[in-house]
Amino acid sequence: GAVVSQHPSWVICKSGTSVKIECRSLDFQATTMFWYRQFPKQSLMLMATSNEGSKATYEQGVEKDKFLINHASLTLSTLTVTSAHPEDSSFYICSAGTSGSRNTGELFFGEGSRLTVL
Amino acid sequence: QKEVEQDPGPLSVPEGAIVSLNCTYSNSAFQYFMWYRQYSRKGPELLMYTYSSGNKEDGRFTAQVDKSSKYISLFIRDSQPSDSATYLCAMSAGTGNQFYFGTGTSLTVIP
Repeated sequence: GAVVSQHPSWVICKSGTSVKIECRSLDFQATTMFWYRQFPKQSLMLMATSNEGSKATYEQGVEKDKFLINHASLTLSTLTVTSAHPEDSSFYICSAGTSGSRNTGELFFGEGSRLTVL
Repeated sequence: QKEVEQDPGPLSVPEGAIVSLNCTYSNSAFQYFMWYRQYSRKGPELLMYTYSSGNKEDGRFTAQVDKSSKYISLFIRDSQPSDSATYLCAMSAGTGNQFYFGTGTSLTVIP
């Protein structure tokens, strides 16, 4: 199946710093990528929908100035947590849907990135 | 009413048992259905993908979609301890549309 790679898998940072997480679709083009946040033993919470070449669409309650999303190409989307604070510590996961000739309606997830803010 | 309902469990079964996981949904426009397996501290892994109604089998896993009842199922035969994970159902109305997820069912297979 299609592969989505997410990096880094684990990051620890000091409060007030910014952290960038990358999401890459390795063998397909992804017009749309999604970013989620997941707390322990809870389901995925959609944060934003990232569209290649345009601004991301954020879910209600998600601060777009804090969680900057850039989808510069059909294979790469980035999530930057700006001025991170301990309450931003969480598991962040991206997903990507196939597009173009492989547009099958499937959705593939990255391995997730665990952020710990000290 | 949520778009997708899934019993969170937890579900605990002995090794070798047949496991049945289910989701119901309210939007009749959904036509793409997926089941994911998520191990602790890992991203969800796509297990089964079904378009429209019907059954799909892959090894020990069988996915069923009943659009008339708005009900989907995942069956795991001869369950193994390695199947212990959280299982998420997901669905969408079409390519490029938003995906809707169940809350996930936590499964433990006891050796």
